[in-house]
Amino acid sequence: DVKVTQSSRYLVKRTGEKVFLECVQDMDHENMFWYRQDPGLGLRLIYFSYDVKMKEKGDIPEGYSVSREKKERFSLILESASTNQTSMYLCASTADSNQPQHFGDGTRLSIL
Amino acid sequence: DQQVKQNSPSLSVQEGRISILNCDYTNSMFDYFLWYKKYPAEGPTFLISISSIKDKNEDGRFTVFLNKSAKHLSLHIVPSQPGDSAVYFCAAVEGGSSNTGKLIFGQGTTLQVKP
Repeated sequence: DVKVTQSSRYLVKRTGEKVFLECVQDMDHENMFWYRQDPGLGLRLIYFSYDVKMKEKGDIPEGYSVSREKKERFSLILESASTNQTSMYLCASTADSNQPQHFGDGTRLSIL
Repeated sequence: DQQVKQNSPSLSVQEGRISILNCDYTNSMFDYFLWYKKYPAEGPTFLISISSIKDKNEDGRFTVFLNKSAKHLSLHIVPSQPGDSAVYFCAAVEGGSSNTGKLIFGQGTTLQVKP
């Protein structure tokens, strides 16, 4: 069974801090994704990656960057956290583009 | 511009009855559609999918219907159970040369099944 693990379930940070959210998958999936979920907006794609060291912008990349140094790990970075980045962050992975994505349990991030 | 829309934020049904969740889309290049279910404090879990070459896909109590001409899909749950109470997200993938595997999600519908 696919396991996508996000390092923190809850995180509280201050405005201006650099924040790292980590995601690890154990199924050797090529594709990994970062979303944020906000009430009334569904899930919105921030960044995705098809291979090691490869990244593509999603629909809302502003204020974020990503890192994929190893196939199993995909990190989301908030360069300088702001209060409007308070949200639920979800990581997902899939073997190929025509397969369902498998999600982690999410990180509830609060920026004060 | 919301390409995938779930216009009903919430739905309440009685246990044992049918639940029908609706989803509309605007992009005619979408060729693969999925439904995810999400409980509070958990990530979304895949429920059922349908390719645009089909108009129906069934898996146990869950059936997804696709009406391409109307750009509309629906998820039917029969019979509904209290454990089905969750947020349901509709998602779509753009096919052809633009197939990047990106999921475009709707806003979600909160289903409550009353005992």
